[in-house]
Amino acid sequence: KQEVTQIPAALSVPEGENLVLNCSFTDSAIYNLQWFRQDPGKGLTSLLLIQSSQREQTSGRLNASLDKSSGRSTLYIAASQPGDSATYLCAARTGGATNKLIFGTGTLLAVQP
Amino acid sequence: GAGVSQSPSNKVTEKGKDVELRCDPISGHTALYWYRQSLGQGLEFLIYFQGNSAPDKSGLPSDRFSAERTGGSVSTLTIQRTQQEDSAVYLCASSPAGVRADNEQFFGPGTRLTVL
Repeated sequence: KQEVTQIPAALSVPEGENLVLNCSFTDSAIYNLQWFRQDPGKGLTSLLLIQSSQREQTSGRLNASLDKSSGRSTLYIAASQPGDSATYLCAARTGGATNKLIFGTGTLLAVQP
Repeated sequence: GAGVSQSPSNKVTEKGKDVELRCDPISGHTALYWYRQSLGQGLEFLIYFQGNSAPDKSGLPSDRFSAERTGGSVSTLTIQRTQQEDSAVYLCASSPAGVRADNEQFFGPGTRLTVL
């Protein structure tokens, strides 16, 4: 059974810092891994998707990496801004006929101005 | 284009009543998912529809929960005889057809259900 864990649960950093969010999964047989952002009271916004055959994806100040063999993914945020404050969720898409996502518990990020 | 939409955005109901939650997926997306986000359980999968295939209902927590998808588009999640532990945010997502590894799931804003 796939289990996804995120560390740390919460993180507070001053504006301008580079930071790394961690995601671990127990079953390496994944189709892809998605990183999402969730603002309070809102739905999920997809940030990056890394296919199982890829090692990283970049979008602006965001870079996500995937190491299937070790069951890890990281989300790197460069030059953090107060607007980056949100909960970040990673989700592993399982194999088989159902393309369901197994979500981590999230990292609550606060970027202090 | 338009994203995934859900209605209502908020629903308050009394214990024992039935509720219906609606999801409109992105046009052309044949895959539709329901998830639930609650304080104690995080975000968990409920049910998956792919085209006209039989849905995967493996995530539904009890037989009080059911969902249908009419015409391969709009979906309704029904909770009968609601209980307080059903209080959560119910999220709907859609994605293009098939099992391609680059298929992203796009989420709606969710319906916040409160059972008094």
